[in-house]
Amino acid sequence: DAGVIQSPRHEVTEMGQEVTLRCKPISGHNSLFWYRQTMMRGLELLIYFNNNVPIDDSGMPEDRFSAKMPNASFSTLKIQPSEPRDSAVYFCASSLTGGNGYTFGSGTRLTVV
Amino acid sequence: GQQLNQSPQSMFIQEGEDVSMNCTSSSIFNTWLWYKQDPGEGPVLLIALYKAGELTSNGRLTAQFGITRKDSFLNISASIPSDVGIYFCAVMNYGGSQGNLIFGKGTKLSVKP
Repeated sequence: DAGVIQSPRHEVTEMGQEVTLRCKPISGHNSLFWYRQTMMRGLELLIYFNNNVPIDDSGMPEDRFSAKMPNASFSTLKIQPSEPRDSAVYFCASSLTGGNGYTFGSGTRLTVV
Repeated sequence: GQQLNQSPQSMFIQEGEDVSMNCTSSSIFNTWLWYKQDPGEGPVLLIALYKAGELTSNGRLTAQFGITRKDSFLNISASIPSDVGIYFCAVMNYGGSQGNLIFGKGTKLSVKP
């Protein structure tokens, strides 16, 4: 089992550019979560999907953020346009519905300059 | 929103010493979890607690779910250098039929050989 796979591992972009983060959950898991980690705010839930359907996106900070899950094996988190305050580590995690065993990816470290 | 208060924020200990950290909440939660995050990686589940008063061990780790369901602690005995990392408590937050994890800010552990 390859675990949750995120790409890219690191992204450096200029302010105003579009950024797309990608996630492949563990096969068979039907819940997918996007978290953001910063020193100031810790781990914050941005959005989560169950069976490819967005369930709660109340953590998405602004309209500049959007997430999609077109199928059970792929999700994207897009920021357009990006701003320096978006710099953080973005984690994707997956689980079975009702399970506590979230499996996290290794994260994408985003730097917006 | 819900908040978990973890303490201490950081610890510097000598190899071989025991470690204790805790987590409190103003609300009742029925599932408490402890995660560890190694540098450059995502959090990994260490221990899950499902019953108030429950004491669970995993090797040198011991965690307890407080009787009030508003707190939990994690102990590490005879620390070793690979225990270095950030330890997070988390609770399962249920909204309707779905749930998601809320994380504390973490306790950063440093171990001097």
